[in-house]
Amino acid sequence: GDSVTQMEGPVTLSEEAFLTINCTYTATGYPSLFWYVQYPGEGLQLLLKATKADDKGSNKGFEATYRKETTSFHLEKGSVQVSDSAVYFCALLYTGGFKTIFGAGTRLFVKA
Amino acid sequence: DTAVSQTPKYLVTQMGNDKSIKCEQNLGHDTMYWYKQDSKKFLKIMFSYNNKELIINETVPNRFSPKSPDKAHLNLHINSLELGDSAVYFCASSQVSGTGNSNQPQHFGDGTRLSIL
Repeated sequence: GDSVTQMEGPVTLSEEAFLTINCTYTATGYPSLFWYVQYPGEGLQLLLKATKADDKGSNKGFEATYRKETTSFHLEKGSVQVSDSAVYFCALLYTGGFKTIFGAGTRLFVKA
Repeated sequence: DTAVSQTPKYLVTQMGNDKSIKCEQNLGHDTMYWYKQDSKKFLKIMFSYNNKELIINETVPNRFSPKSPDKAHLNLHINSLELGDSAVYFCASSQVSGTGNSNQPQHFGDGTRLSIL
């Protein structure tokens, strides 16, 4: 069945370091891919998305490119801030589908 | 003008009690969801309703019963609470129909933290 696999956390970085959180997926069709972020005490919120192969989603300095050949959607940011400390979820959804498949989440800690 | 609101935010109760969590969305979405998030942040879908019809019903004990009185509301009632029910429960909504190939993301509430004593 369809699934999403994320790198295990926690990931601990110093401020201004480069961030990569790996995400790979297994899908029988061509889903849209998402990254959600969850700050402490809050619900998930959309960070960025990509709807087809080679699309790049970007928001708040974060980027991810939909790579069909490697079935990946890795999240990157060039310079993290303490305020980026959160849990990040990779997810996939088919067109017209009701069920979003979430990865297990990756916790990020950024130290000042 | 909160988009997805859940009440209560915290719920502390004893084993064996019955409790309800309410959810409302003002985004005009046609689909609503309940998720359970455990202490390791793993998110598990429980139920989904589209236009008040149940469309996703994952393997959840039948002590959990969702109810959708209209498209904007999805409540969750839990009977005979057990220790293992302690978790954060999230309500979410999204627009599924009429969006063509543009898959719309889900919008989440801030969660209800349920603690069973």
